[in-house]
Amino acid sequence: GDSVTQMEGPVTLSEEAFLTINCTYTATGYPSLFWYVQYPGEGLQLLLKATKADDKGSNKGFEATYRKETTSFHLEKGSVQVSDSAVYFCALILNRDDKIIFGKGTRLHILP
Amino acid sequence: KAGVTQTPRYLIKTRGQQVTLSCSPISGHRSVSWYQQTPGQGLQFLFEYFSETQRNKGNFPGRFSGRQFSNSRSEMNVSTLELGDSALYLCASSLIERTTDTQYFGPGTRLTVL
Repeated sequence: GDSVTQMEGPVTLSEEAFLTINCTYTATGYPSLFWYVQYPGEGLQLLLKATKADDKGSNKGFEATYRKETTSFHLEKGSVQVSDSAVYFCALILNRDDKIIFGKGTRLHILP
Repeated sequence: KAGVTQTPRYLIKTRGQQVTLSCSPISGHRSVSWYQQTPGQGLQFLFEYFSETQRNKGNFPGRFSGRQFSNSRSEMNVSTLELGDSALYLCASSLIERTTDTQYFGPGTRLTVL
């Protein structure tokens, strides 16, 4: 069935390090892909999205490229900050029925 | 503009009881979606309501139900609670039918079933 797989956390990095959080998906058709972020004690916020192959979503220094050939949507940031500590969720929406499927989330800790 | 509010924020129930959670969307928003978040299963879509009608539904048993009122406020009900229903329940609102990029999430209701 349709699914999203993210790398398990927690991921711990030092400030200014390079970040990659892997996300791959399985879906029939052509889903739209998303990254959400959940800061401690808060609800989810949309971080970025891509709706078709080769699209690049970007926001707050984060980027992810929709790779149809590898069914991936890896999240990257060149220099992380302590304030980036949060849980990150990769998600897809199946265009045929508008249902959303989330990955299990990756907790990110940034050390000063 | 006030954000999405959920009440109560924390709830403790025992097995077999039922529970009702409330969500007040952002003013003017007509769509409300509900999600369950657990460590094991992650974040799963429960259902979406738009203009008082259930528009979409995830794969949850019939014990999970919801409704939406004419002022767009929504309630979610879980009957005959099971231990596995312990979770963070998130509500999200959007201006029109749910598309992820327009959803705004509330802080959630933490339900513990003993």
